Amino acid sequence: DTEVTQTPKHLVMGMTNKKSLKCEQHMGHRAMYWYKQKAKKPPELMFVYSYEKLSINESVPSRFSPECPNSSLLNLHLHALQPEDSALYLCASSQGQGAGELFFGEGSRLTVL
Amino acid sequence: LAKTTQPISMDSYEGQEVNITCSHNNIATNDYITWYQQFPSQGPRFIIQGYKTKVTNEVASLFIPADRKSSTLSLPRVSLSDTAVYYCLVGDGSARQLTFGSGTQLTVLP
Repeated sequence: DTEVTQTPKHLVMGMTNKKSLKCEQHMGHRAMYWYKQKAKKPPELMFVYSYEKLSINESVPSRFSPECPNSSLLNLHLHALQPEDSALYLCASSQGQGAGELFFGEGSRLTVL
Repeated sequence: LAKTTQPISMDSYEGQEVNITCSHNNIATNDYITWYQQFPSQGPRFIIQGYKTKVTNEVASLFIPADRKSSTLSLPRVSLSDTAVYYCLVGDGSARQLTFGSGTQLTVLP
């Protein structure tokens, strides 16, 4: 299994809602990542977890809250988002942080109304 | 921070070889060079990674000169399905290696 699975594929939420994006991999990878991608822009790194501990937070606003319950799962909790947060949210994993290939999921398309 | 510079866009025709060059003048000793391909509304896909000289796999070759200040991704005999954005990443496993540059939009024409 070389897949990173993200759910939901599409999410529409209001600015007062609380929602979560989920990411799962079963490749035994110990590093997992969240990226945000706006249209026609490159992916922007948000968070990195290494061995289930947060190792990199690229100064992301606190309305985005990551969680890594175990080595296979990565969540991104969303609360009080703004319309400008609408984007494709990509999850990735790798054997170790920065080690070799990043495996990306298909992404979750988020629209904030 | 090893910033990367790539052409914004390139056009090619089916069956041709395409070379996309990435400049990384401030590359550090421990930095690796990695290339990804991304189709619209999909996650990026790893193509190839190298440190120096030449690396080849089943889909591409990566050429890195001795000074390592640039690298060239070579795609042999492209097809329409190779139309995508190609990103060059440079880094050592810290956040730098995980930061995408602006990428090159490759359009393959029939």
